[in-house]
Amino acid sequence: EVQLVESGGGLVQPGGSLRVSCAASGFTFSRYWMTWVRQAPGKGLEWVANIKEDGSTTNYVDSVKGRLTISRDNAKNSLYLQINSLRVEDTAVYYCATDESSGRFVFWGQGVLVTVSS
Amino acid sequence: DIVMTQTPLSLSVTPGQPASISCKSSQSLLHSDGKTYLHWYLQKPGQSPQLLIYEVSSRFSGVPDRFSGSGSGTDFTLRISRVEAEDVGVYYCMRGRHPKTFGQGTTLEI
Repeated sequence: EVQLVESGGGLVQPGGSLRVSCAASGFTFSRYWMTWVRQAPGKGLEWVANIKEDGSTTNYVDSVKGRLTISRDNAKNSLYLQINSLRVEDTAVYYCATDESSGRFVFWGQGVLVTVSS
Repeated sequence: DIVMTQTPLSLSVTPGQPASISCKSSQSLLHSDGKTYLHWYLQKPGQSPQLLIYEVSSRFSGVPDRFSGSGSGTDFTLRISRVEAEDVGVYYCMRGRHPKTFGQGTTLEI
């Protein structure tokens, strides 16, 4: 059974940093692109970033370039999202998902809440 | 920037009746490889999103056949032939190519 479990969320002050993680199991993690999608409270879905199977290629939505870094450790079956210079508007549930053929997100985690507030 | 526009933003449907959601892209989603990178998701209350339809009209595994997708180029439609109570939630269309972009979402209620 495919499982994606996010962790590392919490309350952070504006300007701070945080790394959220996604632990994958039940599939060959190293063979899949992976993606992060976020959802601000009461709002819609926003794609944030994705990363190639071997980590050699990353893509970001323009609004987060320079502040967010997606990475992965295939030996640990783990995906990461480093968020720097946190802003109130980064407050959201962050989901990891498999990013598969034709760019569809097939398997999703349960999400982790990041709250940016003073 | 590519904009995905869904209409309506909300709809209320009686069980057993059909429902339809439109998604319009500001640019054609037909790629040179012949595929159209348009997908549909449903986010049920309190849950993570789930894939319903990929590449315009292909139902994902386990999705009931009352769900169907159609369209081409910039105009797409998700149809539910007979709405059931379990179909409530927010439906999103999404462009599958970079930059991946979601529509605003359409809330379906019974």
